[in-house]
Amino acid sequence: DAGVTQSPTHLIKTRGQQVTLRCSPISGHKSVSWYQQVLGQGPQFIFQYYEKEERGRGNFPDRFSARQFPNYSSELNVNALLLGDSALYLCASSFGMNTEAFFGQGTRLTVV
Amino acid sequence: GESVGLHLPTLSVQEGDNSIINCAYSNSASDYFIWYKQESGKGPQFIIDIRSNMDKRQGQRVTVLLNKTVKHLSLQIAATQPGDSAVYFCAENSGGYQKVTFGIGTKLQVIP
Repeated sequence: DAGVTQSPTHLIKTRGQQVTLRCSPISGHKSVSWYQQVLGQGPQFIFQYYEKEERGRGNFPDRFSARQFPNYSSELNVNALLLGDSALYLCASSFGMNTEAFFGQGTRLTVV
Repeated sequence: GESVGLHLPTLSVQEGDNSIINCAYSNSASDYFIWYKQESGKGPQFIIDIRSNMDKRQGQRVTVLLNKTVKHLSLQIAATQPGDSAVYFCAENSGGYQKVTFGIGTKLQVIP
């Protein structure tokens, strides 16, 4: 069975640019959550989407946005990139709103 | 605010010995705790969880202990193996949705 898949695996962007990261949840999972993991720290919650609606939001600026599609896949968008946005962006899927989360390998974003 | 933190950033253990990773939390309302293992270049992997109505839970070679009185939990790994080398995060999820709050992490190094 395929786990949570994220694309791309690595990405380099310039300050001020915009980026879109993609996530496909485990088949049958309806919830997708996004996390930012800065080097040397634990992941920080950004968003949760369940049944295509935003159900939770962490302490991130409005430059960060996301959406979930009818097939439950999700995109995370970050506008006006800053150097501090460089991190590993993790997607996690779960069957329900508050059930065990399974993480993908992440997308390593480097902003230069 | 709520936070989950770890006592030791790095733990070195001889292969075959038992490992104990400690974690303190500050939110007394926390009722669900999870331990994750993160290997280099990978997303966090679920190890074991425990709810606040329990004080001990066992899995395969792992045991989680929860002491609600002092807001402390620990992960015990029996007969530590080289494949156990990773960063271990304690985390809590009490938001009613899929918002997992991670601690800083402890790096476990297994000495052959």
